[in-house]
Amino acid sequence: DQQVKQNSPSLSVQEGRISILNCDYTNSMFDYFLWYKKYPAEGPTFLISISSIKDKNEDGRFTVFLNKSAKHLSLHIVPSQPGDSAVYFCAASAPDSNYQLIWGAGTKLIIKP
Amino acid sequence: DTAVSQTPKYLVTQMGNDKSIKCEQNLGHDTMYWYKQDSKKFLKIMFSYNNKELIINETVPNRFSPKSPDKAHLNLHINSLELGDSAVYFCASSWTSGSAQTQYFGPGTRLTVL
Repeated sequence: DQQVKQNSPSLSVQEGRISILNCDYTNSMFDYFLWYKKYPAEGPTFLISISSIKDKNEDGRFTVFLNKSAKHLSLHIVPSQPGDSAVYFCAASAPDSNYQLIWGAGTKLIIKP
Repeated sequence: DTAVSQTPKYLVTQMGNDKSIKCEQNLGHDTMYWYKQDSKKFLKIMFSYNNKELIINETVPNRFSPKSPDKAHLNLHINSLELGDSAVYFCASSWTSGSAQTQYFGPGTRLTVL
């Protein structure tokens, strides 16, 4: 029973264009969402987060959008750069489960030159 | 000045052996975690310790025993290793898990059981 789903295992984007990574969730109790980036042979690195009281959070080239009614969030990277090539994980947490992070399976982003 | 460190990075061992993975964080966090990344690449929480006390213990075989000598360390000891234990294990830390907090991860330990 996957509560957090990243349905695209991989995504290929031209350098300079916008990358959009998607994440869907099923648990309406989730109130905090995070995106992590992971390079091979390294641990996940925190990228950006959003609380359920907001619908958008922006940090430089990275913007996360939250659509609570659709139980959907997305990460936009613009412009995409070669160093953005990595696996991106979406994670969510809820107060009723001690804020334990529930993770998606990840999306591998490949930025083409 | 690594924030969360794990040793060793790679561990190759035979079935039936006992092994330990060490984790240290210098962020001053009071909560530490162990995750297992399985073959399908899912990150699954195994244990969580807050101020040296166990607060999350997911369905993990009791061959896995976490040990927290102090707030900055959370080691993972595995007895009688099995083939299915082969995975990448990540340690992480954060401030108290009683609220939504960002977790910071170590580089991972790739365990291979032959």
